[in-house]
Amino acid sequence: QVQLQESGPGLVKPSETLSLTCTVFGGSINSDNCYWGWIRQSPGKGLEWIGTIYYTGSTFYNPSLNSRVAMSVDTSKNQFSLRLTSVTAADTAVYYCARHGSKWYTDWFFDLWGRGARVNVSS
Amino acid sequence: QSALTQPPSASGSPGQSVTISCTGTSSDVGNYKYVSWYQQHPGKAPKLMIYEVNKRPSGVPDRFSGSKSGNTAFLTVSGLQAEDESYYYCSSYTGTDGVFGGGTKLTVL
Repeated sequence: QVQLQESGPGLVKPSETLSLTCTVFGGSINSDNCYWGWIRQSPGKGLEWIGTIYYTGSTFYNPSLNSRVAMSVDTSKNQFSLRLTSVTAADTAVYYCARHGSKWYTDWFFDLWGRGARVNVSS
Repeated sequence: QSALTQPPSASGSPGQSVTISCTGTSSDVGNYKYVSWYQQHPGKAPKLMIYEVNKRPSGVPDRFSGSKSGNTAFLTVSGLQAEDESYYYCSSYTGTDGVFGGGTKLTVL
């Protein structure tokens, strides 16, 4: 079955750029249900949607992070990626990649999640 | 976009029913059928339990049900079992994207 796996550095210095990649295993990132998202969870806190990307490269970002977020997709590698610039301690979190459960973005639910990547922002 | 409001905690004894609320506004929960619920055990990824207010994904026990009234959505867990002890998060479409609730810790007494 389809699985997602996050990868990237676990430690990022303040003011630098956080970069994570999500690899899709057991399925194609080009398939019909192919809106892909990033969600994060700060220590002891709730879930925060970061952004979503379609396999064509169209993106949707959380307005509160919009100026610092960029997402991209590499269909040849079955991967999509997240870049978050100018990070601070407030960006310390577990970052999850997830699949939207419908081919319609507006249906808004995530039916498949990666195990999460813990990122610590510290000097 | 403000987070949806959930009670921080809920509890019930084995076999009982518990309902968790998720309050939004007329711009999100009240205006769309796209409310979902997730279960998250400590240290684990969230798991989809309910989507489109009251639909269950394959494999989710029918003890879990969802509903909505006005600007508030509800997750009901019937016949509580020990393994239901977890955190639960709601989420809703807002017209442009989505927002999550702050989470509710469900304790099975």
